Amino acid sequence: EDQVTQSPEALRLQEGESSSLNCSYTVSGLRGLFWYRQDPGKGPEFLFTLYSAGEEKEKERLKATLTKKESFLHITAPKPEDSATYLCAVQAIRGAQKLVFGQGTRLTINP
Amino acid sequence: DTAVSQTPKYLVTQMGNDKSIKCEQNLGHDTMYWYKQDSKKFLKIMFSYNNKELIINETVPNRFSPKSPDKAHLNLHINSLELGDSAVYFCASSHPLGGGNTIYFGEGSWLTVV
Repeated sequence: EDQVTQSPEALRLQEGESSSLNCSYTVSGLRGLFWYRQDPGKGPEFLFTLYSAGEEKEKERLKATLTKKESFLHITAPKPEDSATYLCAVQAIRGAQKLVFGQGTRLTINP
Repeated sequence: DTAVSQTPKYLVTQMGNDKSIKCEQNLGHDTMYWYKQDSKKFLKIMFSYNNKELIINETVPNRFSPKSPDKAHLNLHINSLELGDSAVYFCASSHPLGGGNTIYFGEGSWLTVV
C-alpha cells in the first residue's frame, strides 16, 4: 500500500532561520510527488510537483527536492507569512487517479 | 472567480439527519474528487469522478452518495449522519491525473454532527 510519512509533525523557527521538512514515501512506481501549503480554515494550495529523482523546483523561499525514497522542502530565510501546514502527497503510476497524503508538517515562523 | 467552490462552508447538524454539500469548478477539468480531512489532518480520498463517471470509491460507507449532474459539478449527499462523520470535506478537480496533473482544492466544508 502506498504510504507517505512527514517529519517533523511541527516545527517552530525564528524569522530568517532556514530549515527543511521531510517527506518519506513508499509507492509502487512514482508518477509524481506533490507539495501543498494549507493555511488554517483553507483548502490546500498547490506548490510543486516533482516527477523523478534528482529533480528540484523553487518558488520564492521554498525549494523542493526529490530522491527515490524521500522529498525535502527547504525553506530559506523564512518569514512569518510562511507559517502554514505543508502537505506532501504521492501519485502512483499504477492504480486509480488519486493522491495519497502525509499528515503534514505544521510550520510556525516567529518574528 | 473562485476556481473550485463548495457550499456550505460550515454545517452543524444532528445525528441521523441527511445533508448535502455542493461543489462546482470553473476550470474546465474533467475529473472531480471528494477528500475528507479528519481531526489529525490526514487528507484521504473518498470519491473520484471523470466526466460524470465514478472512478474511485474508496471504501466509503454507502451512506455517502456522490452525484455528478455534469462534469463541472460534484455534490456529496450524506444519509443518517453519525458523530464520526464530523470532519472537513474538500472538493477538488483536475485534468485526468494520468499525466501527473495538479489537483486544485476548494476551501472546504466543515461538518459537525452533534
